[in-house]
Amino acid sequence: QVQLVESGGGVVQPGRSLRLSCAGSGFSFSDYSMHWVRQAPGQGLEWVAIISYDGDNKYYADSMEGRFTISRDNSKNALFLQMNSLRPEDTAVYYCVRGRRDLDYWGQGTQVTVSS
Amino acid sequence: DVVMTQSPPSLPVTLGQPASISCRSSQSLVDSDGNTYLNWFHQRPGQSPRRLIYKVSNRDSGVPDRFSGSGSGTDFTLKISRVEAEDVGIYYCMQATHWPPGTFGQGTKVEIK
Repeated sequence: QVQLVESGGGVVQPGRSLRLSCAGSGFSFSDYSMHWVRQAPGQGLEWVAIISYDGDNKYYADSMEGRFTISRDNSKNALFLQMNSLRPEDTAVYYCVRGRRDLDYWGQGTQVTVSS
Repeated sequence: DVVMTQSPPSLPVTLGQPASISCRSSQSLVDSDGNTYLNWFHQRPGQSPRRLIYKVSNRDSGVPDRFSGSGSGTDFTLKISRVEAEDVGIYYCMQATHWPPGTFGQGTKVEIK
């Protein structure tokens, strides 16, 4: 069965960096675009970024452009999100999600807390 | 960016009764390929979102047939024919026609009266 497992979250000070990972299994990872979607405490869902199946195309939400970088390693069935210059408002659960327009499978999420 | 507006924000329902959630987009969600990429998700407390409906009206595998999606253009609806206790949580619509960014509605919280 399809599984997406995020890791790498934690507590980090404002201005610091963090790298999230997502391990995919149960499907042909290299065939799918992948997203990161986040959810701040008590808030709704916010799309963060998408990367094409081959890693050649990447798009970001405006508020993350220039600070976040999405990447993937298809040889390891892995998705990444490098987050730099973190702000308190980046505090959220970050989900790894499969599929360009489908968003059909979601991971369990990893908590990122930005606080001094 | 396309703005997705859901209503109502909160929906108290009686078990066994129907429920309906509206989702409106700020522009048409019909893509140049003829498809309309409107998804519905359900998030139970403490869980990840789960997709229920894709391309307006297609139910995902394992989704009970009491859930149905309808609509076109800018106006969409998710209906639950008879609400069950497991249906509580927050429902989100999301458009995937106009990328980037993908945009979600603000959510509708369904709770049992």
